[in-house]
Amino acid sequence: SAVISQKPSRDICQRGTSLTIQCQVDSQVTMMFWYRQQPGQSLTLIATANQGSEATYESGFVIDKFPISRPNLTFSTLTVSNMSPEDSSIYLCSSGLAGGNEQFFGPGTRLTVL
Amino acid sequence: RKEVEQDPGPFNVPEGATVAFNCTYSNSASQSFFWYRQDCRKEPKLLMSVYSSGNEDGRFTAQLNRASQYISLLIRDSKLSDSATYLCAVNSGYSTLTFGKGTMLLVSP
Repeated sequence: SAVISQKPSRDICQRGTSLTIQCQVDSQVTMMFWYRQQPGQSLTLIATANQGSEATYESGFVIDKFPISRPNLTFSTLTVSNMSPEDSSIYLCSSGLAGGNEQFFGPGTRLTVL
Repeated sequence: RKEVEQDPGPFNVPEGATVAFNCTYSNSASQSFFWYRQDCRKEPKLLMSVYSSGNEDGRFTAQLNRASQYISLLIRDSKLSDSATYLCAVNSGYSTLTFGKGTMLLVSP
């Protein structure tokens, strides 16, 4: 399995600001994903980060709010823009191979918006 | 019907007990199924994939029932360290997974 790191591991931010989360995988992987996990809830897929093209967003998530970059096969960023307290959550990136195979997760970024 | 459903629990069992969780899914075209374990304030970690023929890994056995559209996880001889939330995941697109909300297991001495 790939080893995935994320930073920051946690942050406390003010309403209206933006935060960029970085995800680094130790090997080239086909797929990278961004999830959100709110307290007591399961993982909700935000988007698939596509290398060299725009991310594919799930229903309820838009690029203006969650811009994503993936400049190469081992790195991706997720920005949470114009934050509000409702954005307080854990944000996780994952990686895997195409075709519905298992995914492996980074340690997550715990975001609190005041 | 939600895409992936699990009984949230908690399941409270004594050490040494056998416990089983089920997870139902709505997309009959799903081909890949997984069980993840998530400890408090940690990321989910892959426990095992679920194959059509069922599979076993030590004390853990996973089964797939396509006709009734559910997967199951059986844990034998429960240990204190098995206390965690168990998430099932089902592929919902070519490469994307949909996760259940998880079943909490508490193993007590």
